[in-house]
Amino acid sequence: KQEVTQIPAALSVPEGENLVLNCSFTDSAIYNLQWFRQDPGKGLTSLLLIQSSQREQTSGRLNASLDKSSGRSTLYIAASQPGDSATYLCAPNRDDKIIFGKGTRLHILP
Amino acid sequence: GAVVSQHPSRVICKSGTSVKIECRSLDFQATTMFWYRQFPKKSLMLMATSNEGSKATYEQGVEKDKFLINHASLTLSTLTVTSAHPEDSSFYICSAYSGDRSYNEQFFGPGTRLTVL
Repeated sequence: KQEVTQIPAALSVPEGENLVLNCSFTDSAIYNLQWFRQDPGKGLTSLLLIQSSQREQTSGRLNASLDKSSGRSTLYIAASQPGDSATYLCAPNRDDKIIFGKGTRLHILP
Repeated sequence: GAVVSQHPSRVICKSGTSVKIECRSLDFQATTMFWYRQFPKKSLMLMATSNEGSKATYEQGVEKDKFLINHASLTLSTLTVTSAHPEDSSFYICSAYSGDRSYNEQFFGPGTRLTVL
């Protein structure tokens, strides 16, 4: 059974800092891995999708890496802004089932 | 991009009533849709996989007689919470694959917040 762990559980940093969110998963036989953000009381916004054959994906200030063999992914956020404050969810997809981590609650201090 | 909608976005009901939540793929056909729920400050948990024209597959611990899923067309899946109780209050989200399965990307609806009084 896939288990997903996200570290740290919560993070507060001043605006402008670069930061890294970590995700580990136990079953490496995945199709792909998605990173989402979720604002309080809202649905999910897809940020990046990395296929199992890829090592990383970039979108704007976001960069996600995937080391499938070791069951790890990281989300790098450059030059953080207050609008980045949200919960970030890591979601590996295996056999059409997405298993979510508990997320990292990020707070960017103005 | 592929768009998934849900209706209603928010519902409040009395204990014992049944509530139906709709999930629609707006610009693509979805043979498979997924239903998740999220309790406050918890992660999303997969409840069931909805297959067009056949029975849904439920995850362990999810009562199929309580959470009825009907996937009657390629663009619509419904989740009915029967005889709802306060402990069913949660955020319910659906997802679907777009027609292009080469990326295996699931697209999520905006969610439905259910409050049972």
